[in-house]
Amino acid sequence: GESVGLHLPTLSVQEGDNSIINCAYSNSASDYFIWYKQESGKGPQFIIDIRSNMDKRQGQRVTVLLNKTVKHLSLQIAATQPGDSAVYFCAENGALDSSYKLIFGSGTRLLVRP
Amino acid sequence: EAQVTQNPRYLITVTGKKLTVTCSQNMNHEYMSWYRQDPGLGLRQIYYSMNVEVTDKGDVPEGYKVSRKEKRNFPLILESPSPNQTSLYFCASSPQGYNQPQHFGDGTRLSIL
Repeated sequence: GESVGLHLPTLSVQEGDNSIINCAYSNSASDYFIWYKQESGKGPQFIIDIRSNMDKRQGQRVTVLLNKTVKHLSLQIAATQPGDSAVYFCAENGALDSSYKLIFGSGTRLLVRP
Repeated sequence: EAQVTQNPRYLITVTGKKLTVTCSQNMNHEYMSWYRQDPGLGLRQIYYSMNVEVTDKGDVPEGYKVSRKEKRNFPLILESPSPNQTSLYFCASSPQGYNQPQHFGDGTRLSIL
């Protein structure tokens, strides 16, 4: 498969445990945040997003938490499964100027031990 | 099936030989974007397009061109490829803008020798 990062931070969890992946964002003016999952050989896949007027948003087995005070975003995955093994990216919209783009973090690799 | 399709998936070519990577989406999305992904650097935006005939530079536009003549297509053009453009490229689209989830293609691996 494709190598998306040779020296990514790695989180190793036991199957069935909960996973927490953290992300520090840079721009206090960002008002939209999103998490993507990327499996080997594939493009990023949308997981969940959150806007700055919220602190928490839940999806199916996933929860995103936003702490604007410390510019921190986290992704919680409940009952982690082998299929959750992938690289996870956070992104912010960096809404400081008129540019329309997302700014991605460098990613965290999640390894699920059977 | 809703999808973003890139072609080719893999290409090995030589410095200076013009190439085009095509991107097509079947979701009637207005916003389209190109990214490159390099180890340790994450995804960096090359160009984006808010709609037909509207394109703008991302963070790393040097050496690339794009066009948006139709809503569904957003080709990436390397007029004179160089080895530093060896990378994994992704095309993405979203309904109306960057503040919505983008759908990504499966990537194009370019190797410039």
